[in-house]
Amino acid sequence: AQSVTQLDSHVSVSEGTPVLLRCNYSSSYSPSLFWYVQHPNKGLQLLLKYTSAATLVKGINGFEAEFKKSETSFHLTKPSAHMSDAAEYFCVVSDRRSSASKIIFGSGTRLSIRP
Amino acid sequence: SAVISQKPSRDICQRGTSLTIQCQVDSQVTMMFWYRQQPGQSLTLIATANQGSEATYESGFVIDKFPISRPNLTFSTLTVSNMSPEDSSIYLCSVEGTSAYEQYFGPGTRLTVT
Repeated sequence: AQSVTQLDSHVSVSEGTPVLLRCNYSSSYSPSLFWYVQHPNKGLQLLLKYTSAATLVKGINGFEAEFKKSETSFHLTKPSAHMSDAAEYFCVVSDRRSSASKIIFGSGTRLSIRP
Repeated sequence: SAVISQKPSRDICQRGTSLTIQCQVDSQVTMMFWYRQQPGQSLTLIATANQGSEATYESGFVIDKFPISRPNLTFSTLTVSNMSPEDSSIYLCSVEGTSAYEQYFGPGTRLTVT
C-alpha cells in the first residue's frame, strides 16, 4: 500500500535561514511524488513533482526536493526562507491501486517564518 | 495549467439542510476529483467523477450523503446532504494535470454548519 509521512507537523525558521520539510513515503513501485503549498485562505498550488526523471527536482519560489529511493524520502528544501513562505505544505504520493490517477496526501507541515 | 473556479467560496448553513458546490474548469478534462479538508487536517479524497458515468466513492463516503453530478467535461457539482456540524470543512475540486498523477486544485469552498 502507498502512504506518505510528514515527520514534522510544524517547522519554524528565521527569515534568511534554510528550510527543511521532511517527507518519507512507502510504495511497492516507483512512485510519483509531489509537494503542494497552501497559503492561508487560498487554494493548493503545486510546488514541484518527481516522476522518475532527475532525482533532484527544482520547483517554484526557490524550493527543491531530492528523491532518495534508498531512504524512501522526498524532503523539501529552500536555501533561504522568506516571510511569504509561511504556509501549509503537503507531501503527496501517487496511488496506483486503480486505473484512476489518484493521489494520497500527507498530514501536512505548517511552516512559520520568524522575522 | 487548468483554471478552476468554485461556487460558493464559502457558506454558513443550518444543520439538516443541503448545499450544492459547483466546480468549473476552463478546459475539457476526463477526470475530476472532490476532496474534503476538515479543520486543521489534510485532504481526503471523497470521490472521482468521470463524465458520463457514476462517481466512484472512497471508503467512508456514500452517494446518498455526497451526490455528485458530472454533466459535461468542464463542470461538476458536489452536494453535501442533510448537513451536520461535522460536515464543516473546506471542499475542493481538482482535475488531472498534463503529467501522470499531477492535479490542479480549485480555490475551495469553506462550509460551516451551525
